[in-house]
Amino acid sequence: NAGVTQTPKFRVLKTGQSMTLLCAQDMNHEYMYWYRQDPGMGLRLIHYSVGEGTTAKGEVPDGYNVSRLKKQNFLLGLESAAPSQTSVYFCASRKDRFLDLNTEAFFGQGTRLTVV
Amino acid sequence: RKEVEQDPGPFNVPEGATVAFNCTYSNSASQSFFWYRQDCRKEPKLLMSVYSSGNEDGRFTAQLNRASQYISLLIRDSKLSDSATYLCVVINTGNQFYFGTGTSLTVIP
Repeated sequence: NAGVTQTPKFRVLKTGQSMTLLCAQDMNHEYMYWYRQDPGMGLRLIHYSVGEGTTAKGEVPDGYNVSRLKKQNFLLGLESAAPSQTSVYFCASRKDRFLDLNTEAFFGQGTRLTVV
Repeated sequence: RKEVEQDPGPFNVPEGATVAFNCTYSNSASQSFFWYRQDCRKEPKLLMSVYSSGNEDGRFTAQLNRASQYISLLIRDSKLSDSATYLCVVINTGNQFYFGTGTSLTVIP
């Protein structure tokens, strides 16, 4: 049982390059989230999805786009990377709250992205 | 205003000590509350949910005060293995999952 898998685990980009981070979950969860974590800032919500085909903005969405074409996958795109996007990115998934209000979120192992 | 505010610490305590962390949230309609633990360079993992009546799991006790909009975590008889960053999490009515900045705990032998 893989849970939540993020690819790649590490990446170095040059300013202006684009890339896509993939999050895949095998738990049939409805909700998926993308966060970034910077020193002293905690985890900040970038975008999230409450189901296949839906996406919504979180706290810090600028410079990122997302897509949820399949229930199990949530993609995070950087169209033109900037040094300010150097961070650790975490994906998470969670069961539908109508099934259980207190369901926990499960996290991937993170992607360490450096933009130079 | 941030959705969740948390004292970043750091807290450095001796083994066997009792330590408490607090967290405040801004949205009075928030629905669910959790404490997560994060070890260095690892993903966050659920420590415990926080229920309105308060709940305990071994040496860990979580409390929720809806009137004052804060949650707390108490760790008794601290162990070296408790050293980590503790994150409070709040879910609002839109199913957005918000984290505090985390409180760093180091338990000293």
